[in-house]
Amino acid sequence: DQQVKQNSPSLSVQEGRISILNCDYTNSMFDYFLWYKKYPAEGPTFLISISSIKDKNEDGRFTVFLNKSAKHLSLHIVPSQPGDSAVYFCAARSGTASKLTFGTGTRLQVTL
Amino acid sequence: DAGITQSPRYKITETGRQVTLMCHQTWSHSYMFWYRQDLGHGLRLIYYSAAADITDKGEVPDGYVVSRSKTENFPLTLESATRSQTSVYFCASSESGGRYYGYTFGSGTRLTVV
Repeated sequence: DQQVKQNSPSLSVQEGRISILNCDYTNSMFDYFLWYKKYPAEGPTFLISISSIKDKNEDGRFTVFLNKSAKHLSLHIVPSQPGDSAVYFCAARSGTASKLTFGTGTRLQVTL
Repeated sequence: DAGITQSPRYKITETGRQVTLMCHQTWSHSYMFWYRQDLGHGLRLIYYSAAADITDKGEVPDGYVVSRSKTENFPLTLESATRSQTSVYFCASSESGGRYYGYTFGSGTRLTVV
């Protein structure tokens, strides 16, 4: 049972435009959500996170939105740059454990 | 060097062989994790450890064994490798608690079982 889902395996966006990556979850016990970015032949790196008590968190070009009633979060990248081309993983944590549950990932390609 | 290192980076082994993937971190983080990355499945947790001598199963533990005799090391052993264990394996570590609960990942080990 996939508790964290990223339904779009890939996304292509023009440079300078907005990239929107989506993530849905089913476990209402999740209280913290994170986005990781992964380049080929490297490990995932932390990008941005949001607590379940917030609905928005911003860090430079990256903004994460959380809609708890819909069990949905999204990552917005504005403006998109070629260096943003990578696989993005959504992850969620429940309060009782330190382990993260990851989604299947979305491959973002930013074209010139 | 500070950080989290995995070895080897690449490994080819035969079906039925035992193989051990190494993970070493220099931060003295309490928690360590092993994930495997497969197309269509994302990152799935194999085993994790909350401290030395404390380990627990994750989502896909069958066929794997871990140990954690020292805080800084968390080796993953495939006792009898199968083709379905061909994957990219990532080790990660994190502090217990903290302002956010992110992990720091190693660079991964690409394992091919032939």
